[in-house]
Amino acid sequence: GQNIDQPTEMTATEGAIVQINCTYQTSGFNGLFWYQQHAGEAPTFLSYNVLDGLEEKGRFSSFLSRSKGYSYLLLKELQMKDSASYLCAVRDDSNYQLIWGAGTKLIIKP
Amino acid sequence: DGGITQSPKYLFRKEGQNVTLSCEQNLNHDAMYWYRQDPGQGLRLIYYSQIVNDFQKGDIAEGYSVSREKKESFPLTVTSAQKNPTAFYLCASSVLTSGSNEQYFGPGTRLTVT
Repeated sequence: GQNIDQPTEMTATEGAIVQINCTYQTSGFNGLFWYQQHAGEAPTFLSYNVLDGLEEKGRFSSFLSRSKGYSYLLLKELQMKDSASYLCAVRDDSNYQLIWGAGTKLIIKP
Repeated sequence: DGGITQSPKYLFRKEGQNVTLSCEQNLNHDAMYWYRQDPGQGLRLIYYSQIVNDFQKGDIAEGYSVSREKKESFPLTVTSAQKNPTAFYLCASSVLTSGSNEQYFGPGTRLTVT
């Protein structure tokens, strides 16, 4: 079966660092995506990993381990505007469609 | 400005009525997608299209229909056969080349059926 797991909710403090984990079990793999979604709005693309390792993009970094079926999104120097849901999605290599996790709601406190 | 537009943002309908949600993109993307988002669940694929005049069913196509007569447009009809139509509907598009081919999303339409 296809399964993607993320924590439902996390809380962090402004200025701190938070790591959001995503584990997946899919029949095929052709890349892992992270999206940010503010309440009531559209998801926006954050990162894409297809090879093992860390991809850094400003305050956000994403890590992938294909052998472990594991990824994380690391957010540094948290700002209040980072309060949002973070969606993990895996692209299936059979039909190139995305399989989505339920998302992690991140709450930032002052 | 290039992007994806969906209209309307909020839509209210009575049970038993069909309703069509609009999705237009000027990004020159070949592929377009319709998703449904419900609280506490991941996005679920309804239909997708990779070329004009062709489309494929996603995981939850029952009770929905689409058309792709133009590259820029991919309207979704929610029929009266859809048992739980109240949801947030998202349209997306992407290129179909090698690489990340990330999907770009429209602002969404929140449909309420009573």
